[in-house]
Amino acid sequence: NAGVMQNPRHLVRRRGQEARLRCSPMKGHSHVYWYRQLPEEGLKFMVYLQKENIIDESGMPKERFSAEFPKEGPSILRIQQVVRGDSAAYFCASSLPPTGGQETQYFGPGTRLLVL
Amino acid sequence: AQSVAQPEDQVNVAEGNPLTVKCTYSVSGNPYLFWYVQYPNRGLQFLLKYITGDNLVKGSYGFEAEFNKSQTSFHLKKPSALVSDSALYFCAVRAVNSGGYQKVTFGIGTKLQVIP
Repeated sequence: NAGVMQNPRHLVRRRGQEARLRCSPMKGHSHVYWYRQLPEEGLKFMVYLQKENIIDESGMPKERFSAEFPKEGPSILRIQQVVRGDSAAYFCASSLPPTGGQETQYFGPGTRLLVL
Repeated sequence: AQSVAQPEDQVNVAEGNPLTVKCTYSVSGNPYLFWYVQYPNRGLQFLLKYITGDNLVKGSYGFEAEFNKSQTSFHLKKPSALVSDSALYFCAVRAVNSGGYQKVTFGIGTKLQVIP
């Protein structure tokens, strides 16, 4: 009964490189959410995706960040030209289809990105 | 806009004593409320949620939370704290919606320290 899987668990990038974070949802879940956690700032919503569809990207920075959830394979959060301020823990969560808000989001272990 | 307040950055409690972690919320209409726990370098684990019905919700690891509509609160409680309960606790809220998607808003987190 695998939960939400994220890889890599730790990622080190130099400024200007690209970071790719992967998330495989819990079995049977087709809805994925990405969050960023910074020290002293709690958990901030970034984007919500269904298969092949972005539902809500209101929390995504307008530049350098993108997300996808293809028909096959994991969801990908891509950060281009990383800067030191991108250093954070990035969490993915998955859920069943929305049922008026009752559905529970289940979280993966996170990817800790360090930009040197 | 919906919001969650966790007024205490840290709560210290002696092992064996009851614990309370406070949460208040603001949302248009009725809320769905959630508690999650995060252990160091781990993802968030779901503890419990309030959907409707009984105001006292029981969850994992002996935790419970009481929904108080008049005070717009959803405090997390446990009758007898364990050292292993030491972690970061997040409260979250989502507005009730008859269908479709509603964003979850998380509090900033409260660090619980149980002292042996």
